[in-house]
Amino acid sequence: DGGITQSPKYLFRKEGQNVTLSCEQNLNHDAMYWYRQDPGQGLRLIYYSQIVNDFQKGDIAEGYSVSREKKESFPLTVTSAQKNPTAFYLCASSIIGQGNEKLFFGSGTQLSVL
Amino acid sequence: DAKTTQPTSMDCAEGRAANLPCNHSTISGNEYVYWYRQIHSQGPQYIIHGLKNNETNEMASLIITEDRKSSTLILPHATLRDTAVYYCIVRPRSNTDKLIFGTGTRLQVFP
Repeated sequence: DGGITQSPKYLFRKEGQNVTLSCEQNLNHDAMYWYRQDPGQGLRLIYYSQIVNDFQKGDIAEGYSVSREKKESFPLTVTSAQKNPTAFYLCASSIIGQGNEKLFFGSGTQLSVL
Repeated sequence: DAKTTQPTSMDCAEGRAANLPCNHSTISGNEYVYWYRQIHSQGPQYIIHGLKNNETNEMASLIITEDRKSSTLILPHATLRDTAVYYCIVRPRSNTDKLIFGTGTRLQVFP
């Protein structure tokens, strides 16, 4: 089945530790996105990428890093510089067109700090 | 900041139509109106989108006012599984612009 796979479902981070969240898609989409969601809040954009080896910061990129070495993969690293990392992280993808492209979301990763 | 305004929460009886309003008074001519919904602890799911005309698919109908400053998502026969947070979003035509999600409307469908 085509879709977006995020792993792990749950992740725990120790103080000062970097952790990486995986996002893979087999939809052949050019654009991929990472969002953060805090309890009771909407989604905030962290990073997005429209082409391999290129990505742009979203609204809350500080303390995060990404890479886009393959079209199918867009991993997100939560660095030790992110002081409040506990949140639900969502990856999404879409085609690139005239603005009428729907986003497909993964099932999310819940990150918690030990 | 989000470009849309939605009520925080709504209730609907099972089997009745759920009408979810959205205000997007600053929408530009090239921006689409999108609706997504999110069931607890899952990724948002696309429902429907439109530019100027009303739209209908197997999930819902989207009614956009003539001046495009507001819209209504209609779930014609709500079921308990429609209980979710519904997000109304305006999407610019350019993919370089960011999609902004507000806090959405929490719809509770009751028996």
